[in-house]
Amino acid sequence: GAVVSQHPSWVICKSGTSVKIECRSLDFQATTMFWYRQFPKQSLMLMATSNEGSKATYEQGVEKDKFLINHASLTLSTLTVTSAHPEDSSFYICSVTGVNYNEQFFGPGTRLTVL
Amino acid sequence: AQSVTQPDIHITVSEGASLELRCNYSYGATPYLFWYVQSPGQGLQLLLKYFSGDTLVQGIKGFEAEFKRSQSSFNLRKPSVHWSDAAEYFCAVARSGGSYIPTFGRGTSLIVHP
Repeated sequence: GAVVSQHPSWVICKSGTSVKIECRSLDFQATTMFWYRQFPKQSLMLMATSNEGSKATYEQGVEKDKFLINHASLTLSTLTVTSAHPEDSSFYICSVTGVNYNEQFFGPGTRLTVL
Repeated sequence: AQSVTQPDIHITVSEGASLELRCNYSYGATPYLFWYVQSPGQGLQLLLKYFSGDTLVQGIKGFEAEFKRSQSSFNLRKPSVHWSDAAEYFCAVARSGGSYIPTFGRGTSLIVHP
């Protein structure tokens, strides 16, 4: 399977600032990347799906202007939380998949805390 | 739309005991089914998956799961639990023939007593 990394693994920021989270596929051509959000003791909720070179498709209820997703290459996707607020504090996980693959490969997650 | 129910929020077992984690799904056709494990502060690792064929699926770390169409279930089992198995376990379902985007259950937390 693919090896997926996320950077940073954790971040603390002040309310109103923007935070960028990177998701890298280290050994895999990730034609599709996904971003999930996980609140404590809860399940993963899909936020958006992005294909390389295309605009992301956001799930219902996810603000696309707040959660900016860029999938510029087959190995890198970024999630930018703009004007972060305490309610955006969560665990953000990315995953990747490729052509002819029938599963997703998950990154280790990024813990965001907004003060 | 598909959905997944994991009825047990917590399961506590003694090390060496057998384990069964329950999962029920709702989907009109035969779904794609997955079990993932998540250690604290970590991402998800795929334990096993079912797409078609033999309804008893073998996975990593000694886990297995059985697809029972009549019960709409995909329960995860392990004959002898190790302390390192303590983690959060997620069942997931995806549409067959779709883009393999899973819908996750809420998870079951496994606690292992020595």
